[in-house]
Amino acid sequence: EPEVTQTPSHQVTQMGQEVILRCVPISNHLYFYWYRQILGQKVEFLVSFYNNEISEKSEIFDDQFSVERPDGSNFTLKIRSTKLEDSAMYFCATSASSETQYFGPGTRLLVL
Amino acid sequence: AQRVTQPEKLLSVFKGAPVELKCNYSYSGSPELFWYVQYSRQRLQLLLRHISRESIKGFTADLNKGETSFHLKKPFAQEEDSAMYYCALNAYNTDKLIFGTGTRLQVFP
Repeated sequence: EPEVTQTPSHQVTQMGQEVILRCVPISNHLYFYWYRQILGQKVEFLVSFYNNEISEKSEIFDDQFSVERPDGSNFTLKIRSTKLEDSAMYFCATSASSETQYFGPGTRLLVL
Repeated sequence: AQRVTQPEKLLSVFKGAPVELKCNYSYSGSPELFWYVQYSRQRLQLLLRHISRESIKGFTADLNKGETSFHLKKPFAQEEDSAMYYCALNAYNTDKLIFGTGTRLQVFP
C-alpha cells in the first residue's frame, strides 16, 4: 500500500538556521498539508496546499514558514530562521480529494 | 471556535473489557469527524470517519449531534488495541483537521 514518506526522520539545528523538511506524497494525491505536534501537546494544523498554492494557513504559519512543491513530487516546508519554540514533530499529510488525509511518519525537529 | 475535547489522557482496561474513548466537539455547523490511531513508533492512521458508518477492527463511533459527541467504542478490547487515539474534526468548507489532545489506551493482558 502506498505511503507518505518524510525526510529526514530527525533534524537537530541551531537557533536562527534554516531548515527544509521534505515530504513525498502518495502519487495520485493533489492536496497537501503540514501539521506539527509540540511535545505533550495536540497535533496542530499549519498549512494546506493545492494546485501549487496555499489554500489555507493557521496563525502559526507566519512569514518564517513557506511551502512549495519544487519538482512536482516533493512537498517541502521551509523554516527560514528557526526558534527554540519550533522544536516539534512535523507531519506531512496528503489526500486525493480533500477528504481522508494520509499522514507521513513525521520529522522530529530539535532547535538548540 | 472549533474545538475537540478528549477528556481522558489515559484509559487502562483489561483484555476483553469494553472500551469507550470520549470525544466532544464544539462547532456550530455539520462537522466531519474522524478517529485517528497511532500505534507505538508508527504514523497516524485513519481508524474511521463518521460518514462511512463502518466498523474497523471492532471499533465503532456514532455522531451524536445533540450531545456534540463522537465517542469511540469497542465491546471487547484486545492487547493490540493499545495505542494513542485522536479524535479530529473537519469543519465545513475547510480542509484542515482540528485534533483533540489524544487518549492513550492501555490494554492489559
